[in-house]
Parts: sequence; structure tokens; C-alpha cells
Amino acid sequence: DIQLTQSPSTLSASVGDRVTITCRASQSISGWLAWYQQKPGKAPKLLMYEASTLQSGVPARFSGGGSGTEFTLTISSLQPDDFATYYCQKYNGYATFGQGTKVEIK
Amino acid sequence: EVLLLGSGGGLGQPGGSLRLSCEVSGFSFSKYGMTWVRQAPGKGLEWVSTISGPTTSTYYADSVRGRFTISRDNSKNTLYLQMNNLRAEDTAVYYCAKDSVSSGLFYFDSWGQGILVTVSS
Repeated sequence: DIQLTQSPSTLSASVGDRVTITCRASQSISGWLAWYQQKPGKAPKLLMYEASTLQSGVPARFSGGGSGTEFTLTISSLQPDDFATYYCQKYNGYATFGQGTKVEIK
Repeated sequence: EVLLLGSGGGLGQPGGSLRLSCEVSGFSFSKYGMTWVRQAPGKGLEWVSTISGPTTSTYYADSVRGRFTISRDNSKNTLYLQMNNLRAEDTAVYYCAKDSVSSGLFYFDSWGQGILVTVSS
């Protein structure tokens, strides 16, 4: 089974910071990767798919990159609404999620 | 507007059964795969099961295969998860989610609000 490992597990940052989360796959998944944002007590929200395609309605400060086994989610200028937990997910087969990265206020 | 409204959770006994439902609106339900994802308290997301749209092929995580059954009623725009032989480790919030493609096993572009299932004696 393909495993996804996110780093860091927790990230402390301030409003306006540029932050990057990494998701590494145990074997190549081409570009079959999605990113979600989840706030406490809420359902996840799709941010990105095919590694770098922004879901409709998601702010352009979010960007994604990578292919094969290493992927990134970058927030160019962190906003108050962005403090949340972020998950990567591999698809085109049984779904697997990363363990999550919590972005908290510094 | 796409809406997914889950129901049917609550307290289940170890070895017992529960059935979750997810009624959807705002899209052509029969054309899309549908999925259940769960989240144990304080933990991450875990894929549980997927059912395709037109062919109703089904797929299960190893942790639930043989105990859970996913199904859909396209005439009622409703997705189901029949959960049998419940275990304590099935305690979680269960989310229904819309797949982005008909076959399922892709990414999930809309999610329900979550259904709490607690397994305890």
C-alpha cells in the first residue's frame, strides 16, 4: 500500500507568512494528489487536485506543486482564515490520506 | 448548490449494527461515485468505502471489509453505509463525500457535515 507522509506535523506561523507543507509518497503516484483544508468540527474542503490545479473558489494564495513522490502546498501570504489542518490525499485507486499538518498561530 | 445531509449515527454496541444515510441534492447523483471517509477522535482522515455511479461497483478498506456494506438508491438520491459487527475502533465521525468522477476512487469535491458514531457498551 502507498503511504503518504506530511511534514511538518505542526507549523507555527504569523499572518502574512509564506508557508509550505510537504507530502511524500512511498512510491510514485504521478500527479494524482489532492489537498484539503479542515477546520475544527467541520468537514474537509477540497483546495487542490492533480497536484497543482486550484479548486474553483479557492483563493489564489494557495498553490500546489510536485509529481511522483514529492508534493508541496504553499500559502503565499497566510490569512487568519487559513489557520486549520491540511491533508494530502492520493487517488486514482484506493484513497490514502496523509496524517495532517496543523497550521497554528505563532 | 451541492448538499449532502448525513443521518443515522449514534451509540452502537460492540458486535451490533448501525446504518448511516446521506441524502444529496444539487447534482446528478446517479452519475457520480460516492464515498465514506471517517475520522476517529483527534485523528486524521481514513477512507472507508466507495461505490461507483453507473455500475455500482464497491470498494472497501481492509479495516471494514466483510463488516460494512456501502449501497445507494439513485431514485432517492441517497447513499448508505450498513455497519455490522461494530468494534470500538469504529468510533469516529463519518463523512459522506461526492467523488469527482463516475467511477469513484478519485478526489472528493463535496462533503457532508459528518455523522458521529460511538461504539461502546
